[in-house]
Order: sequence, then C-alpha cells, then structure tokens
Amino acid sequence: DVKVTQSSRYLVKRTGEKVFLECVQDMDHENMFWYRQDPGLGLRLIYFSYDVKMKEKGDIPEGYSVSREKKERFSLILESASTNQTSMYLCASSVGQGRTGANVLTFGAGSRLTVL
Amino acid sequence: AQSVTQPDIHITVSEGASLELRCNYSYGATPYLFWYVQSPGQGLQLLLKYFSGDTLVQGIKGFEAEFKRSQSSFNLRKPSVHWSDAAEYFCAVAQSGGSYIPTFGRGTSLIVHP
Repeated sequence: DVKVTQSSRYLVKRTGEKVFLECVQDMDHENMFWYRQDPGLGLRLIYFSYDVKMKEKGDIPEGYSVSREKKERFSLILESASTNQTSMYLCASSVGQGRTGANVLTFGAGSRLTVL
Repeated sequence: AQSVTQPDIHITVSEGASLELRCNYSYGATPYLFWYVQSPGQGLQLLLKYFSGDTLVQGIKGFEAEFKRSQSSFNLRKPSVHWSDAAEYFCAVAQSGGSYIPTFGRGTSLIVHP
C-alpha cells in the first residue's frame, strides 16, 4: 500500500560528493515536494513541482536542485554535499491546485542523509 | 504570510491520561488546518483536517481537533493516550485561496509513560 516511495532510507556521503535523492509516487498526483526536517526546526520546503519539468523554489533552495522529467518521479540533487546538509529529507505529493485536497500531502518514509 | 506556532516542544503524559497539543496559526482569512503524526523513523501521516463547516473535527486513531477562530487555534485532543501514540505531531496551515502549499509548525514530541 506504499504510495510515495523514497529510494534510499539511509545514505552516507562525503563532503563534495553529488547526491541524488529519488522519490516516486503512484497516485498520479500533479504536485510533488521536497522538505528538509531538522530537530527543533520542523519541516522546511526546499523545492516543489506542480507539473512535469516545472519547479519552484521553496524557503531553503540554496545548495539544492530538482528534476522532474516524469509525472511520478521527483529527484532532489545536492551538487556538492556539505556537512550542513546532513538531515532527514521528506518527499510528498498532492493532487493539483484547484482540486479538492490540493493541500493534503502524502509523505514518503524519508531519507536520512549524513554528510561526512 | 501564513505561520504556525506549536508552543510545546515536548509533552509528557501517562498512558490513559488525556492529551491536548496546542497549535496557533497566523493567517488573515479562513485557513485550511491539518494535524500530521510522525512515528519514529517514518514519514508524516495525516491525522485530521479542517476546511470548513463543523469546527470540531474527528480524525484517525481517536484524535479530534477544534478550530477556534477567535483564538486562532486548532488544538489536538485525545481523551485517553496509548503508548503507541508516542510520536512527533505537526500542525500545518494552508491558505483557503491562493497557494496550496501548507506551512508546518516545528512539531511537538509526545512522550508516553507507562
């Protein structure tokens, strides 16, 4: 019954490495999101996408990029990982804006990234 | 801009006791309000939501929340807590018109003592 799948639950990378976090949803949702979760800071929006090949910056996009080549897949890319990007990354999806439930997010289980 | 405040970082209750988690929001019009729960090592799961209508909303796992416009609050309640309720709880607000993207609070960690 898994609906939003994040390919890696745990990753350990070295400073300067390029990191890809993959997210796939099987609900035919238009919107997809990447959040970063840190203790005491809650969830902060990195990027979101409301359509294939469309992306918008969230609150903390610096150091990140995204790719959405297919409707079901939304990738988060760290071009050159740094230690301050050690965090839990959560992917989510929702139906399109204007449709009932556009504000209701379905989350993946998260990807915990450690950068050494 | 919308914002959410969860004033309690940690809440400790005994199993079987009642629970109330506080949430205050800032938004000019009628908001869309949500409570999500995150069990250890997991993503967030929707507990309940308020869009309009009855201000007392029932959710899953025996939780309910009440929207009080005069207090800009949307507190989460449960009459009797179970050990399995230990988790992180997040309140979120979204605009009823315009952006559909919710803003999350910083979360409240619930600890349940046997």
